[in-house]
Amino acid sequence: QQPVQSPQAVILREGEDAVINCSSSKALYSVHWYRQKHGEAPVFLMILLKGGEQKGHDKISASFNEKKQQSSLYLTASQLSYSGTYFCGTEDSGGGADGLTFGKGTHLIIQP
Amino acid sequence: NAGVTQTPKFQVLKTGQSMTLQCAQDMNHEYMSWYRQDPGMGLRLIHYSVGAGITDQGEVPNGYNVSRSTTEDFPLRLLSAAPSQTSVYFCASSLGRPSYNEQFFGPGTRLTVL
Repeated sequence: QQPVQSPQAVILREGEDAVINCSSSKALYSVHWYRQKHGEAPVFLMILLKGGEQKGHDKISASFNEKKQQSSLYLTASQLSYSGTYFCGTEDSGGGADGLTFGKGTHLIIQP
Repeated sequence: NAGVTQTPKFQVLKTGQSMTLQCAQDMNHEYMSWYRQDPGMGLRLIHYSVGAGITDQGEVPNGYNVSRSTTEDFPLRLLSAAPSQTSVYFCASSLGRPSYNEQFFGPGTRLTVL
């Protein structure tokens, strides 16, 4: 079952902050965040693991609430280059396919 | 390093035709996978492989076959193309299972089935 992302879309002015949320109905082992620009491939941003470990870019921050099966991606002092579609991918704790289940994406538009 | 490469970039098929989408990586990654991306649907996992000779089904495997005879290559075969398979297909690879590892995506193949 796909994780649910919110909001579906957001428009910001350069320099403003944004929070993108991802929630699942299943117990999660890890949450992954990717950004995709129009016509391009998704690009890795961050992995958050159950237990608190994180791997990703220094300028990106995110949280993972294991009890609520939710993750949030924090984009501060947004730049024009942050525009794109953000996807969370989840891996549940119950086994099954050895891969990620992605949400439908959040479209982020940064205006000058 | 070329990273993950996919061919062709664009393809138009008629219903019932078969074809193979090619994917190769030069990073010595063990894990490879195929996703399809449809408007408003995000990325959906078709098949994946944890190493040469090992493949398994993802979320939407029907109508597709894969094989992994080498570490580098992971082709996706459409057996009898249907309009519902019109989509953008992405191949991805990672050092190991995606739990702990960044996935590197190829540039994609845009497929239209008439």
